[in-house]
Amino acid sequence: QLQLQESGPGLVKPSETLSLTCTVSGGSISSTSYYWCWIRQPPGKGLEWIGSIYYSGSTYYNPSLKSRVTISADTSKNQFSLKVSSVTATDTAVYYCARRAGDYYFYMDVWGKGTTVTVSS
Amino acid sequence: EIVLTQSPATLSLSPGERATLSCRASQSVSSYLAWYQQKPGQAPRLLIYDASNRATGIPARFSGSGSGTDFTLTISSLEPEDFAVYYCQQRSNFGPGTKVDIK
Repeated sequence: QLQLQESGPGLVKPSETLSLTCTVSGGSISSTSYYWCWIRQPPGKGLEWIGSIYYSGSTYYNPSLKSRVTISADTSKNQFSLKVSSVTATDTAVYYCARRAGDYYFYMDVWGKGTTVTVSS
Repeated sequence: EIVLTQSPATLSLSPGERATLSCRASQSVSSYLAWYQQKPGQAPRLLIYDASNRATGIPARFSGSGSGTDFTLTISSLEPEDFAVYYCQQRSNFGPGTKVDIK
């Protein structure tokens, strides 16, 4: 059974870089059938799609975040990662990693439990 | 960019009642729309993909319909565990959600 688990610091200072890792078990991120993505949810608000990566390294980012976001993958560890630079309080959110099914048109069929990141000094 | 709107924002119903949730896209998305359920403190769960296909393990009381710009998620008879927030999604766009709460 495929499982995804987010990990990383729960507290990040303003202007610094938020770094999270998603560890995938029960399946391989090198699969040619899926992409791997990050989604976030600010407290009390809706879902915001951040971006995704294919095993080949190809990425697709939300245009509104593209200048600050980097998603990378380590196939040897079966992990993929998220970096958000120059964070502010508006980046405070629960961050989810998920498996993305579909190419141009897609949906997220398996999700991690999420990890809370607070941006505060 | 496609904008998804959901209505109503809140739906107050009793267990056993039928729930009808709407998602409207600002331009045609063909049948490429998904629905998710999210309970407090939990990750979203995929319910429906490609407008009308139930995801693995999703009960038959959940059904999706629509194409183009107008889509509907129907819960035929609400169970206590169905009270939650429901989101529609098309590519990198999510709707704002509909909360189904107990009347």
